[in-house]
Amino acid sequence: DTAVSQTPKYLVTQMGNDKSIKCEQNLGHDTMYWYKQDSKKFLKIMFSYNNKELIINETVPNRFSPKSPDKAHLNLHINSLELGDSAVYFCASSQLEGFGANTGELFFGEGSRLTVL
Amino acid sequence: EDQVTQSPEALRLQEGESSSLNCSYTVSGLRGLFWYRQDPGKGPEFLFTLYSAGEEKEKERLKATLTKKESFLHITAPKPEDSATYLCAVQSDSWGKFQFGAGTQVVVTP
Repeated sequence: DTAVSQTPKYLVTQMGNDKSIKCEQNLGHDTMYWYKQDSKKFLKIMFSYNNKELIINETVPNRFSPKSPDKAHLNLHINSLELGDSAVYFCASSQLEGFGANTGELFFGEGSRLTVL
Repeated sequence: EDQVTQSPEALRLQEGESSSLNCSYTVSGLRGLFWYRQDPGKGPEFLFTLYSAGEEKEKERLKATLTKKESFLHITAPKPEDSATYLCAVQSDSWGKFQFGAGTQVVVTP
C-alpha cells in the first residue's frame, strides 16, 4: 500500500565501503528524485529521472550513481563512503502533467538514514 | 541562484495560540511555491501549492498566502498534533527542481 517505499531505512557502515539504497513507487508517476537531508534539515536535490532519463544532476560527487531500471524504480549507489555522506536520503516521485509542467506535489518515502563511521 | 529563507527557525506555541510562519524567496521566475509538513522520522508531506501573488489556500487550521516576495503559513488555534517542521519550497525550473528552505520547527503544547 505504501506509495513510495525505500530500503533500507537504516544503514550503518564504515568509511570506504560501497552501499545502495533502493526506491520504488506504485503511484504510476513518471518522475522520481533523490534528495539529501543533512543534520540541519536542509533538503537538497541530488538527481531526478523522468521516464528513466536523467533530467536533474546537481553538483554531487561522482561516487554517487543513480540508476532507474524502469519508471517505478530509482536506486542510489554510493561508492567509497565518506563521513560527510552521513545524512537521511529521501526518494520522491511526482507526475509531470504535460511537457515541462509539474503540480508541485512530491510524494516522499520515509527516508534512509545513512551513518558512516 | 534561487534562495528560500524561512523564519523563525523554531516556534513554540500554546494550544490555541495562533501564529504565522514566513517564507521569503528569490527566484528568477516563480512557477510555484509549496508548503510541506515533516514529522520526525518521516518524509515531507505535501500541504499546498500557490502559483501567483494574492492566492490563498486553506486546510483545517492552516492557511497559506503568497505575495511577490514571500509566503506565510498561518496556523489558527493550533493543536498539539500540528507540531511538526514546516518546509517551504519554490520551483522556478520546468523540470521539477524544487529549492527547499530549512524549515520552521513548530511545537504546540497543551
